[in-house]
Amino acid sequence: GDSVTQMEGPVTLSEEAFLTINCTYTATGYPSLFWYVQYPGEGLQLLLKATKADDKGSNKGFEATYRKETTSFHLEKGSVQVSDSAVYFCALRMRTGANSKLTFGKGITLSVRP
Amino acid sequence: DAGVTQSPTHLIKTRGQQVTLRCSPKSGHDTVSWYQQALGQGPQFIFQYYEEEERQRGNFPDRFSGHQFPNYSSELNVNALLLGDSALYLCASSLEAGGNTEAFFGQGTRLTVV
Repeated sequence: GDSVTQMEGPVTLSEEAFLTINCTYTATGYPSLFWYVQYPGEGLQLLLKATKADDKGSNKGFEATYRKETTSFHLEKGSVQVSDSAVYFCALRMRTGANSKLTFGKGITLSVRP
Repeated sequence: DAGVTQSPTHLIKTRGQQVTLRCSPKSGHDTVSWYQQALGQGPQFIFQYYEEEERQRGNFPDRFSGHQFPNYSSELNVNALLLGDSALYLCASSLEAGGNTEAFFGQGTRLTVV
């Protein structure tokens, strides 16, 4: 079945450091890819998405590029802030409406020190 | 726009009891999905409702059931609660038309089974 694999965490960085969170996927077709963020005590918020190969999603300084050849969707940010501390989930969804469930990775906790 | 709203926010139940969780989708959305997020894990798909019918189901036992009402709101029912049902239950809504719309999540209901 479809699956998402995220790098093991947690990750602790100093403010203004560069961030990379790895995500790879396995899917039978051509999924849309997502990064969701979960702040403490809250639900999930969509951070960015990409719907086809070579698309780059971006939001709030975060970026991720849909790499079909490596089945990856790594999340990057050039300079993290304390406010970026949260849990980050990579997810995929197949395109058809009747099979539109999201499949999530296990998530990774990011802590940013001042 | 209130977004996706879930109630209650927290709930404590005793093993063997039954529980009902509620979700109101984002205005204009017609599809509701439910996810279970155990501590330290990514959300797992339970089922999805569209046009008042269960359209897709994840790997959850029949103790988990749901309903969608004509106003698109939804309920998740869990019977014969087990300690392992303790989790954050997330509701997500989306719009069927267009096929590839993003899902918006509520803040979740934290269920504790004792």
